[in-house]
Amino acid sequence: AQTVTQSQPEMSVQEAETVTLSCTYDTSESDYYLFWYKQPPSRQMILVIRQEAYKQQNATENRFSVNFQKAAKSFSLKISDSQLGDAAMYFCAYRKGNAGKSTFGDGTTLTVKP
Amino acid sequence: SAVISQKPSRDICQRGTSLTIQCQVDSQVTMMFWYRQQPGQSLTLIATANQGSEATYESGFVIDKFPISRPNLTFSTLTVSNMSPEDSSIYLCSALEGSNYGYTFGSGTRLTVV
Repeated sequence: AQTVTQSQPEMSVQEAETVTLSCTYDTSESDYYLFWYKQPPSRQMILVIRQEAYKQQNATENRFSVNFQKAAKSFSLKISDSQLGDAAMYFCAYRKGNAGKSTFGDGTTLTVKP
Repeated sequence: SAVISQKPSRDICQRGTSLTIQCQVDSQVTMMFWYRQQPGQSLTLIATANQGSEATYESGFVIDKFPISRPNLTFSTLTVSNMSPEDSSIYLCSALEGSNYGYTFGSGTRLTVV
């Protein structure tokens, strides 16, 4: 079974600085997707960024980028120029290519200090 | 991306009663899922809601306890039956528009059983 591990239960960053959240996963599949989701204290979970396993280029969405290391099965999220609104719980997730359901990590709570 | 309206947002229920949670999507989606989340923890998949047929339940979850309906491609309900305090949790519905997409989530239902 696929597993997703987030080894950092909590992280903090100074406003305007950069922070990297770690995620590793285990799979024997070659076709899969990886995601980072953000869940602010208001609870609504939103998609931050996604990465297709077959793409070598790291995904980028504005201030959010990933470092996808397929051989190492690592998928870290970098948040640049951190803002107070980035404070949330971040979940890394894996989904097999032709399946619908996803496996989520335990989450990392990010605090942004003004 | 799709928008999901989930209700109720919260409820306090007596043990032994049932609660039905509804999710309405503003567009047709290929798949819908129901998750349970303890505050500050990861998501646990309850079941995949299949349109026009019985839901597919994960290990540890049964239809008698969590009956699910999905009569069309935009709507699903989850019922938490014969509730006990152990059922107190946040229940989230999610939808998948296509294999290349991430999930869209509802805003969640915070259930407290007393």
